[in-house]
Amino acid sequence: EDQVTQSPEALRLQEGESSSLNCSYTVSGLRGLFWYRQDPGKGPEFLFTLYSAGEEKEKERLKATLTKKESFLHITAPKPEDSATYLCAVQEGGGFKTIFGAGTRLFVKA
Amino acid sequence: EAGVTQFPSHSVIEKGQTVTLRCDPISGHDNLYWYRRVMGKEIKFLLHFVKESKQDESGMPNNRFLAERTGGTYSTLKVQPAELEDSGVYFCASSQGATDTQYFGPGTRLTVL
Repeated sequence: EDQVTQSPEALRLQEGESSSLNCSYTVSGLRGLFWYRQDPGKGPEFLFTLYSAGEEKEKERLKATLTKKESFLHITAPKPEDSATYLCAVQEGGGFKTIFGAGTRLFVKA
Repeated sequence: EAGVTQFPSHSVIEKGQTVTLRCDPISGHDNLYWYRRVMGKEIKFLLHFVKESKQDESGMPNNRFLAERTGGTYSTLKVQPAELEDSGVYFCASSQGATDTQYFGPGTRLTVL
């Protein structure tokens, strides 16, 4: 069964303390892996799409990487405004259904 | 350019009543998706439209849910009759191609009492 597992469930960092979020996936063929940011009361906001193992993408303090079994979202020198829930999702190769993980709640303290 | 919009933002109804949620995708996006997040759970896929056709409705919970996309523009999701377990946040997303980035709306929070 296709599955997406994110860890940790919650992460508390001090401002400037770099860390990584993990997304492990099991799908029958990967069409794409997506990272979203979600703030309370809002819809998911797109961050990155990764298509193949070895691919990396960066945006400001965020960097996403992909292997055949997992993806990491690296956060370098986070700021309080980076506090949000980060969602990982995969689109399986056999169709266009998107499967979401439960998310990692990130708290960055000044 | 306007993003994905959803209406209403909140809806509170009694069990057994009918509710219709609306989603207006980004202009020009042929692909439209409905998702639902119930309390404490992950966002779950409900269905996928390509223009006005249902491409995949495997995530629809049961026949109390009816989605339509007349003319390939906006979409509605009707719940009739609503049950307590239907409470949650319903998200709509749209994309240009089926493998392109999906852009999400703000969601409709549905509470069934």
